[in-house]
Amino acid sequence: EVRLVQSGAEVKKPGESLRISCQSSGYTLATYYINWLRQMPGKGLEWMGRIDPSDSYISYSPSFQGHVAISADNSINTAYLQWGSLKASDTAMYYCATETGGDPIYGLDVWGQGTTVTVSS
Amino acid sequence: SYELTQPPSVSVSPGQTTSISCSGDKLGERSACWYQQRPGQSPVLVLYQDKKRPSGISERFSGSNSGDTATLTISETQAVDGATYFCQAWDNGVAVFGTGTNVTVL
Repeated sequence: EVRLVQSGAEVKKPGESLRISCQSSGYTLATYYINWLRQMPGKGLEWMGRIDPSDSYISYSPSFQGHVAISADNSINTAYLQWGSLKASDTAMYYCATETGGDPIYGLDVWGQGTTVTVSS
Repeated sequence: SYELTQPPSVSVSPGQTTSISCSGDKLGERSACWYQQRPGQSPVLVLYQDKKRPSGISERFSGSNSGDTATLTISETQAVDGATYFCQAWDNGVAVFGTGTNVTVL
């Protein structure tokens, strides 16, 4: 069974750094793109960016470019989403998702369980 | 930037059919997906390429996409269909999601 398992909830202060993870299970991470998405409390889904773990090619949404960093470590089948300096407005649920169809038109068909990030002083 | 607009909410009686619209400039020229998100859960892909259902998704879910509007239709609506539905398309390498529609099964 193809699954994505995300790291646990985080509580941080403004200005702190953070890295959350997304580990593939049932398949090799390098096989499919990993996408990261944000869902702020009570709001909709926002696509942040994606990585092709096979060659580390990364694309970001203009809305998130420069504020987050996406990476992957194929040796442990894990993708990461990282912040250098958190803001209160980063408080949200973050999902990783993959497209096992091999092309974006087939949709994001496998999702992680989500990681809650709370940023508060 | 590209935008997709959905009605905030729809209500439907059990057993009835409901449709959710998703509007965007020349959306019919793109491939649309639909996701279902129940409260407290991760989204689930229910349609891709406008009208194709992933394995395990009920035949009660169908879709179309033409002109500026994609439509998700749920037939014989059941209580378990109560959720928020998001449409999604790609624009210049960026995934764009609709504003979301909350479906209430009364």
